[in-house]
Parts: sequence; structure tokens; C-alpha cells
Amino acid sequence: DTGVSQNPRHKITKRGQNVTFRCDPISEHNRLYWYRQTLGQGPEFLTYFQNEAQLEKSRLLSDRFSAERPKGSFSTLEIQRTEQGDSAMYLCASSLGIEFWETQYFGPGTRLLVL
Amino acid sequence: AQKVTQAQTEISVVEKEDVTLDCVYETRDTTYYLFWYKQPPSGELVFLIRRNSFDEQNEISGRYSWNFQKSTSSFNFTITASQVVDSAVYFCALTPGGGSNYKLTFGKGTLLTVNP
Repeated sequence: DTGVSQNPRHKITKRGQNVTFRCDPISEHNRLYWYRQTLGQGPEFLTYFQNEAQLEKSRLLSDRFSAERPKGSFSTLEIQRTEQGDSAMYLCASSLGIEFWETQYFGPGTRLLVL
Repeated sequence: AQKVTQAQTEISVVEKEDVTLDCVYETRDTTYYLFWYKQPPSGELVFLIRRNSFDEQNEISGRYSWNFQKSTSSFNFTITASQVVDSAVYFCALTPGGGSNYKLTFGKGTLLTVNP
């Protein structure tokens, strides 16, 4: 399967714990995006990488959130001191990185539940 | 600011019925791109179509067709002869053609249930 992959698919944690999610984009894609989707809503943009550079962060991304893409390949999204409001589906997407309007291809998401 | 409105929260049809999902958008950009994605229960967003603001031709792909009308800022999606496998949440999304054009703005989605 050469699509976008995300791990883990599900994560249950207690409030106050740290969690880390991983995203592996389609191999030739230079751009990588993170979105968050809460129940009954569409995905909301969180952040975006062009290769290893993080070029944009949404206001939704509080100081407890950090994303990295150290070698321009896979990316990690860490949430420190989780809160119940962080419960959501975290979606990763990737695109070629040639044109700005190109299609973003999404992974299956990581569903986070904070108890 | 950009906005996408999908007024239909849920639609339920019987197999083989035709169904249209509505999408209305707001943007100040003259160049923009519109998308439809399908999200089955598994959670993965599946890309269906991308259109740019300069191409108002309707498009048909098998049982799927899209009607883009710039005059009414709408980009509606029709499934002909619906099947149970079409059951999913469908999202319409918008991105501008310049500036911070990597961000997709999504509507809230329409849950389509096709009953046998």
C-alpha cells in the first residue's frame, strides 16, 4: 500500500499524559499537513510542512502541541499534558509539493480519546 | 475569510435512488479550487474531485456528477443510482489559488445513508 499511513489508529490516554502520533506520507510527496476533526465537524487545518520546514501553524495548535518532520519524510505530532478537549481524530495528508492547489491525500487518521 | 456550507446534515435514501449533496462556498479570491472528499466509516478521507474556479464545465465520472455554478457559488454533487457502498460522510472543501493556498477549508459534511 503506497498511501498515507498513520500510527497508531486509536489511542486512549488519561488527562495529563503525553501522546505522540506518527504520519508516513506518500513517498514522493514533499508537503505534509495535519488536520484535526471533532465529532460532526469537518477537518480543521493545524499545521503544514514543506520538506522538513514547518511553514504554518494554526491558532488551534496551542503550546502543548508540537509537530516535527526531521528528515522531510515522516512526521510526528505530540500533545503534552493532554486535556479532554483534545479528544478528536487527527488526520495527516500529503501532496506532491509542486503546485499550491494540488490535491491533498489523507491517511486513515488517529482517533484520540482523553479520559 | 473562506467558508463552506453543507446545509444537509443527513440524507437517507433507498438503493438506486438518485441523490444530490449541496455545497455553497464563500470566498473573496478570484482563483480558488473546490474539492469533494468521501469519508467512509473507516475514517480515511478519499479524494473524489478537484475543480478550479475558471472551469465551470460539469463533470461526470461513472455514477458521480458535479455541477459547478459560479453565479450561485455552488458545487453540488449527484450520485445516480445510489448503492449501499455509497454510505459515508461527504465533505466539500475549498482552497484559495494564491497566498496561503495550502489550507483546505471544509464544510461540516453530509452523512449519506443508502438503505438496501
